[in-house]
Amino acid sequence: DVKVTQSSRYLVKRTGEKVFLECVQDMDHENMFWYRQDPGLGLRLIYFSYDVKMKEKGDIPEGYSVSREKKERFSLILESASTNQTSMYLCASSLFRVPVTEAFFGQGTRLTVV
Amino acid sequence: AQSVTQLDSQVPVFEEAPVELRCNYSSSVSVYLFWYVQYPNQGLQLLLKYLSGSTLVESINGFEAEFNKSQTSFHLRKPSVHISDTAEYFCAVSTSETSGSRLTFGEGTQLTVNP
Repeated sequence: DVKVTQSSRYLVKRTGEKVFLECVQDMDHENMFWYRQDPGLGLRLIYFSYDVKMKEKGDIPEGYSVSREKKERFSLILESASTNQTSMYLCASSLFRVPVTEAFFGQGTRLTVV
Repeated sequence: AQSVTQLDSQVPVFEEAPVELRCNYSSSVSVYLFWYVQYPNQGLQLLLKYLSGSTLVESINGFEAEFNKSQTSFHLRKPSVHISDTAEYFCAVSTSETSGSRLTFGEGTQLTVNP
């Protein structure tokens, strides 16, 4: 089975802190994604990556950056956390760059910024 | 650009009743369509997908969805729901654009099955 692992289930950070959310997949997938999930808004794409060191902006990239130094690992970085970044963050991976024929999700990280 | 609209944010039904969760998409190129389910405090799981071929696709737990290109819809149906089907359901679309493939989700529909 494909496994997508997010480093933390729950995280509490202070306003202004630099926050790293880590995601690792074990199936040599090309694509990796970061979403945030908020009630009534569904999943919104922050960034995605189709190869090492490659990244593409999603629909809501402001306030976030990403890093993909190895194929299996995709990190989401909040440069200076703010309270409006309190949310559930979901990482996903899919086998092919194009098209996405199935995505596998991690369990999510619930981030609270105080 | 692609987009997805789920027409109902909440759908309450009684056990053993039929249900339909509606999904419409927008895209100028060929699409691939998905329904994901999220049970409380869990991650998203793929329920079913349409990639090509038969426009009617089924899941192992009795759900089905039909790809309707003329109406740009991919509604999810089940003829008789169980309490255990209570969850949030998300419709999603991806395309074959070579500029970089993304998976776009709708806003979600909370299905609540009451006894």
